[in-house]
Amino acid sequence: EDKVVQSPLSLVVHEGDTVTLNCSYEVTNFRSLLWYKQEKKAPTFLFMLTSSGIEKKSGRLSSILDKKELFSILNITATQTGDSAIYLCVMNAGNNRKLIWGLGTSLAVNP
Amino acid sequence: NAGVTQTPKFRVLKTGQSMTLLCAQDMNHEYMYWYRQDPGMGLRLIHYSVGEGTTAKGEVPDGYNVSRLKKQNFLLGLESAAPSQTSVYFCASSLSGQSYNEQFFGPGTRLTVL
Repeated sequence: EDKVVQSPLSLVVHEGDTVTLNCSYEVTNFRSLLWYKQEKKAPTFLFMLTSSGIEKKSGRLSSILDKKELFSILNITATQTGDSAIYLCVMNAGNNRKLIWGLGTSLAVNP
Repeated sequence: NAGVTQTPKFRVLKTGQSMTLLCAQDMNHEYMYWYRQDPGMGLRLIHYSVGEGTTAKGEVPDGYNVSRLKKQNFLLGLESAAPSQTSVYFCASSLSGQSYNEQFFGPGTRLTVL
């Protein structure tokens, strides 16, 4: 059964800290792995990863995929209170446009 | 651009009542989706559409119907609401099948069924 497991479920840090969010997966037909950020309401797209070892970067956020060990990490450096959100890892599996959503990691950044 | 909008934002129904949730997007996207989000579960796809006049079942379609009469609108209907349908409903859209990984979400509708 295809699945996505994120850890930790929640995290509390202070502004300026660096955090690493983890996503492990099991999938029979890997197409891509996605990261979304969900603030108070709608998820917003962050990254799409398809190849192992190639880092995707956007400002203080970066992500990398390991297709051999079946995991991805999302790093946030110099965290700010505006980074407080739920970060969702999503698998794109198979040919039927099925997205498998993880439960998310809830990040709280305190001033 | 308003992006993806949903109406209503909140709704309380009694068991057995019906309602329609409206999703509209102004980005000329081909693909549209309806999800539900429940505590302890990831987002689950209810129905989706790959273009005007088409609809398809997602992961949890039972108890819901959809229509896509116009490209910019995607309607989700509950014919006879049940307490198990209490959830937050999100609509999303993507440009095409090639880029459906990047979905743009609406703000959500919080539905409570008593």
